[in-house]
Amino acid sequence: DVKVTQSSRYLVKRTGEKVFLECVQDMDHENMFWYRQDPGLGLRLIYFSYDVKMKEKGDIPEGYSVSREKKERFSLILESASTNQTSMYLCASSFLRGTYEQYFGPGTRLTVT
Amino acid sequence: KQEVTQIPAALSVPEGENLVLNCSFTDSAIYNLQWFRQDPGKGLTSLLLIQSSQREQTSGRLNASLDKSSGRSTLYIAASQPGDSATYLCAVNGNYQLIWGAGTKLIIKP
Repeated sequence: DVKVTQSSRYLVKRTGEKVFLECVQDMDHENMFWYRQDPGLGLRLIYFSYDVKMKEKGDIPEGYSVSREKKERFSLILESASTNQTSMYLCASSFLRGTYEQYFGPGTRLTVT
Repeated sequence: KQEVTQIPAALSVPEGENLVLNCSFTDSAIYNLQWFRQDPGKGLTSLLLIQSSQREQTSGRLNASLDKSSGRSTLYIAASQPGDSATYLCAVNGNYQLIWGAGTKLIIKP
């Protein structure tokens, strides 16, 4: 069964903290994605990766970085968290070829105070 | 630039009714289209994926259609149940990146 897991369901951090969000998939997918979802703005792509150590900016990369050291793991890093990064963060993965169907994790609700 | 629109933004119907959710997109050069379901505070569950060469896909009580030439897709839900209450999102895949609609919030009244 397809599985994408995220390290935390809920996270509360203080302004200025460095925050790591982890995503792991067990489907041997090449592509991995990080989105954020906000009311009224929908889902927006932050970064994606199509291979180990490869990354591409999405629509809103500012204030974020990513790391992909292993194929199954994709990390989103908030170098210095700010209140405007309070959001729901969703990770997804897909194959590089074929249908590109994306599978999502359960999401991390991050609150920055 | 691809834009995806979902109408209506919200829909409330009595249990047992058949209903249709709409998704339109501006650029017909798509690879496929996915329909997702999202329960409050939760992640996304993929419901159906339609390839650009297909006209429709079915899964249980769900049927999704695709008309690329008119830039439209519909999600048909038969015999709706209270458990179908959720937000339904469509997303268009142009180059393995998804472009998202804002979603339709569906409430099925018992």
